Amino acid sequence: AQSVTQLDSQVPVFEEAPVELRCNYSSSVSVYLFWYVQYPNQGLQLLLKYLSGSTLVESINGFEAEFNKSQTSFHLRKPSVHISDTAEYFCAVSMDSNYQLIWGAGTKLIIKP
Amino acid sequence: NAGVMQNPRHLVRRRGQEARLRCSPMKGHSHVYWYRQLPEEGLKFMVYLQKENIIDESGMPKERFSAEFPKEGPSILRIQQVVRGDSAAYFCASSRTGGAGSYGYTFGSGTRLTVV
Repeated sequence: AQSVTQLDSQVPVFEEAPVELRCNYSSSVSVYLFWYVQYPNQGLQLLLKYLSGSTLVESINGFEAEFNKSQTSFHLRKPSVHISDTAEYFCAVSMDSNYQLIWGAGTKLIIKP
Repeated sequence: NAGVMQNPRHLVRRRGQEARLRCSPMKGHSHVYWYRQLPEEGLKFMVYLQKENIIDESGMPKERFSAEFPKEGPSILRIQQVVRGDSAAYFCASSRTGGAGSYGYTFGSGTRLTVV
């Protein structure tokens, strides 16, 4: 069965420290990969996506993710986090049906001052 | 340019009552998707609709749940005779074309349903 795994339910880090949020998926077909962010009491916002081309994709607020086909991973990284990055981050994958997204359970990023 | 509007934001229903969740897609978007998020879980696909058509309802429970997207007005997710297990956040997304790829989805803020 196709699935998306986010291994960490919570990741606490100090402000200005680097962070990596892990995402692995299982699929034998081509995929589109997404990271969404949910700030407290808000909806889901697209953070970044991989459709094709360069395996490293970046967001406007300093996050980046790298598609690794051999490891079936799409980990999210930021070299220096800010208190405003406190949110829950969801990894999602679109597989052969294209319109249906398969979601991970989410990772809460907790920034410690 | 309003985003995807969902209402109400919070809905409390007693067991056995009906819940109606509304979703107005972004302007220019004719594809609507409903997802459900149970506590401590990721989102699960429920249904995909275009105007007046249900394209894929493979994620909808067979009983008590229905969805529509009429020619005029918002998309409605209807849950009849609610039970405690229906308590969840329900998210609506819309897209310009029928795919999650190039243009992606725009999500609403969700409706948090609590069944007491």
